Amino acid sequence: EDKVVQSPLSLVVHEGDTVTLNCSYEVTNFRSLLWYKQEKKAPTFLFMLTSSGIEKKSGRLSSILDKKELFSILNITATQTGDSAIYLCAGSSGTYKYIFGTGTRLKVLA
Amino acid sequence: DVKVTQSSRYLVKRTGEKVFLECVQDMDHENMFWYRQDPGLGLRLIYFSYDVKMKEKGDIPEGYSVSREKKERFSLILESASTNQTSMYLCASSDSESQRVHFGNGTRLTVT
Repeated sequence: EDKVVQSPLSLVVHEGDTVTLNCSYEVTNFRSLLWYKQEKKAPTFLFMLTSSGIEKKSGRLSSILDKKELFSILNITATQTGDSAIYLCAGSSGTYKYIFGTGTRLKVLA
Repeated sequence: DVKVTQSSRYLVKRTGEKVFLECVQDMDHENMFWYRQDPGLGLRLIYFSYDVKMKEKGDIPEGYSVSREKKERFSLILESASTNQTSMYLCASSDSESQRVHFGNGTRLTVT
């Protein structure tokens, strides 16, 4: 059965800390790994990774995929209170199938 | 920018009522999805549609049905609402090329 597991489930840090969020996957016919940030409403897209070993960056956020070990990490450096959110990862298998993890709830304290 | 609009942010319904959740996207996407999100369980797929009038069951279709009469609109129907359907419902769309899924703001449904 396809599954995506995220860890930790929740995390509390102070502003300025660096955090690493983990996502492991077992997805049949894997195509891509997606990261989303969810605050109070719609999950918003962060990254899509399809190739192993290539880091994607956007400001203080970066992510990398390891297709051999079947995992991805999302790094956030110099965290800010605005980074507080649920971070979701999903494995894509074909056009219609997206398997989501349960998310990591990040709280950044001022 | 892609916009996925869900008609209601919050809904309160009584047990046994028929409930309609509406979703509209403005990017001519082929694929549309309905998920429910519950604490500790993540996002679970209820139904998806890859074309007008086409639908496929997801992981938890029981108690739900869907309708896609027009490409831009995908409706989720709770035939007879029950308290265990209290949840956050998220609509999403994607095109077949990019794989990127775009979400609506969600409808928080409470069934009393």
